[in-house]
Amino acid sequence: DAGVIQSPRHEVTEMGQEVTLRCKPISGHNSLFWYRQTMMRGLELLIYFNNNVPIDDSGMPEDRFSAKMPNASFSTLKIQPSEPRDSAVYFCASRSSGFTGELFFGEGSRLTVL
Amino acid sequence: DAKTTQPNSMESNEEEPVHLPCNHSTISGTDYIHWYRQLPSQGPEYVIHGLTSNVNNRMASLAIAEDRKSSTLILHRATLRDAAVYYCILKDSGNTPLVFGKGTRLSVIA
Repeated sequence: DAGVIQSPRHEVTEMGQEVTLRCKPISGHNSLFWYRQTMMRGLELLIYFNNNVPIDDSGMPEDRFSAKMPNASFSTLKIQPSEPRDSAVYFCASRSSGFTGELFFGEGSRLTVL
Repeated sequence: DAKTTQPNSMESNEEEPVHLPCNHSTISGTDYIHWYRQLPSQGPEYVIHGLTSNVNNRMASLAIAEDRKSSTLILHRATLRDAAVYYCILKDSGNTPLVFGKGTRLSVIA
C-alpha cells in the first residue's frame, strides 16, 4: 500500500489567496483526520471524519477553514483567505475504525503564507 | 481527555537502552496507553500500545505500572535513527482521535 498520500508537499502563497490541501487515505480505512503542527502549538487536531461524515470540527480555527470528504478515497482542507498565521505543516491521517486501529500519517503539506 | 506528563527532552548514547517515562495519574480504567514517535520532517508513526500488561514488538517494549498511573517506553538499543519526538497518549476504546501533547525529544549521541 502507498500509505496516506498528501499533496502538495510544499505550498508557498501570498496572504489572501485560497489554499487547498489534498489527502488520499489508505484504502479500506474509514476514519480520516486532519492535524496542524506548529512550533508554538504542537500537533493540533483540526477535524475528523468517520465514513466520510464530519464528526468533530471544533478544532478548526476559524470560518476561513473548511474540510470536505466527498468519498472514501479523498479529502480536502481549504483555507480561504489564507493568512500568515496559517503557516504550518498540515498532516492527514487515516485508520480503520476500532480502538486498536493504528493511525497512519501522511508526510504532511508544509504551507507558507507570505 | 486524560493528561500525560513527559520530560521535554532526553539524551542517550548510541547502542544503549533508553527508558522514556510517562506519567498519567488520571488514567481511567478503559484508557489505552499509546506511543507514537515523529522523526524529523515526517509525520508521526505508531510505536506500541497497551492496556495493563507489558507489551513487546519489533520496535520497542512498553512497561506499564501495576496501578497504571505511569508507563515506560523502552528502546532496547538506541540508534541514531531513533532520534525523534516520542508521544505518550491516552485513548479510550472508542473511535475517537488521538490528542498529542508536547512529547519527549530524544537525542541519540554517536
